[in-house]
Amino acid sequence: AQTVTQSQPEMSVQEAETVTLSCTYDTSESDYYLFWYKQPPSRQMILVIRQEAYKQQNATENRFSVNFQKAAKSFSLKISDSQLGDAAMYFCAYRTTTIQGAQKLVFGQGTRLTINP
Amino acid sequence: NAGVTQTPKFRILKIGQSMTLQCAQDMNHNYMYWYRQDPGMGLKLIYYSVGAGITDKGEVPNGYNVSRSTTEDFPLRLELAAPSQTSVYFCAGKTGVNTEAFFGQGTRLTVV
Repeated sequence: AQTVTQSQPEMSVQEAETVTLSCTYDTSESDYYLFWYKQPPSRQMILVIRQEAYKQQNATENRFSVNFQKAAKSFSLKISDSQLGDAAMYFCAYRTTTIQGAQKLVFGQGTRLTINP
Repeated sequence: NAGVTQTPKFRILKIGQSMTLQCAQDMNHNYMYWYRQDPGMGLKLIYYSVGAGITDKGEVPNGYNVSRSTTEDFPLRLELAAPSQTSVYFCAGKTGVNTEAFFGQGTRLTVV
């Protein structure tokens, strides 16, 4: 079974600085998707960025980018120019396919990011 | 479109009571999911459905039941509530393969 590990329970960064959140995963599949979700205090799960495993190019969405190392099974999230609104729990997730053909997400434990003004 | 709507947002149950968490979507999601999020943890899959009339267990199904009589609705039933079911419950839906999952805003359930 796939597992996702986030080894940093909490991180903090000064506003306007850059921070990197770590994620490792374990799988025997060769083709899969990885995601980073943001969960602010409102509890809403917000998709931040996704990466397709067969694509070598790292995904980028504005100030958010990933460092995807397939061989190392590592998927870190870099937030540049941190803003107060970035404060939230961040979850790394792996998408796998069930026996019935549905796709389900396997989540890491989360990293709580604090932005210091 | 309202997206994925969960009701109620909060609920306190006594041990042994039962309740149904409602999830409705208006985005033509074929796939629907129920996850639970325990304090300080990531989400874990309880049940999922690939279409009306088809459901299957996820990682943590014990103590729960689901039904999918229509495409739009995917209720989660708790029978004989236990303190271990204190959690935040999320419903999610997606249209098809390799599409984005949309989450509801969650239901915070406390069993006392």
